[in-house]
Amino acid sequence: DTEVTQTPKHLVMGMTNKKSLKCEQHMGHRAMYWYKQKAKKPPELMFVYSYEKLSINESVPSRFSPECPNSSLLNLHLHALQPEDSALYLCASSQEIGTTENTEAFFGQGTRLTVV
Amino acid sequence: GESVGLHLPTLSVQEGDNSIINCAYSNSASDYFIWYKQESGKGPQFIIDIRSNMDKRQGQRVTVLLNKTVKHLSLQIAATQPGDSAVYFCAESPNSGYSTLTFGKGTMLLVSP
Repeated sequence: DTEVTQTPKHLVMGMTNKKSLKCEQHMGHRAMYWYKQKAKKPPELMFVYSYEKLSINESVPSRFSPECPNSSLLNLHLHALQPEDSALYLCASSQEIGTTENTEAFFGQGTRLTVV
Repeated sequence: GESVGLHLPTLSVQEGDNSIINCAYSNSASDYFIWYKQESGKGPQFIIDIRSNMDKRQGQRVTVLLNKTVKHLSLQIAATQPGDSAVYFCAESPNSGYSTLTFGKGTMLLVSP
């Protein structure tokens, strides 16, 4: 199983709503990532979790709140978003093998978020 | 031919041609490089990777070339097929143990039958 599963596939939310994006992988990967991708642009790194702890936050506004409940799950909690936050949100995972060698990141299909 | 439009650079080829997609990266400390393919409405899909201690790596129908002197990466696709039509991103990552990828701008490959 080399799959990263994201739900929901599409989400429309108002600026006062609270919603969550979910990501799941069963590859035994210990590093998980959130990326944001605007239309016709490359993905941009938001957060990195390693062994269920937040390792990297790329100066993301606090209206985005990540959570890693266990080694297979990664959530992104959304609150008081702005229309410019509309984008494709991608989850990825990779082996984090405790060495300095990087390994391939597997991406999910993404959640298409529209903020109205 | 290759063109740079208002948005993504586009490479248009005929089925059966060989395609070459180029990428310039910025961080001389990057140690790990990946090419991803992204079809419309889908997440990026791994194609091939290369580490900085190599200058060439071959996969099935694909070859990645790395020139660290000029910080240039290329993806060669042999016998391009309509199913290869997608946006192709190069990505770089420092040697950190994480895949903290910095993606290039992307190139749209259009393959005509």
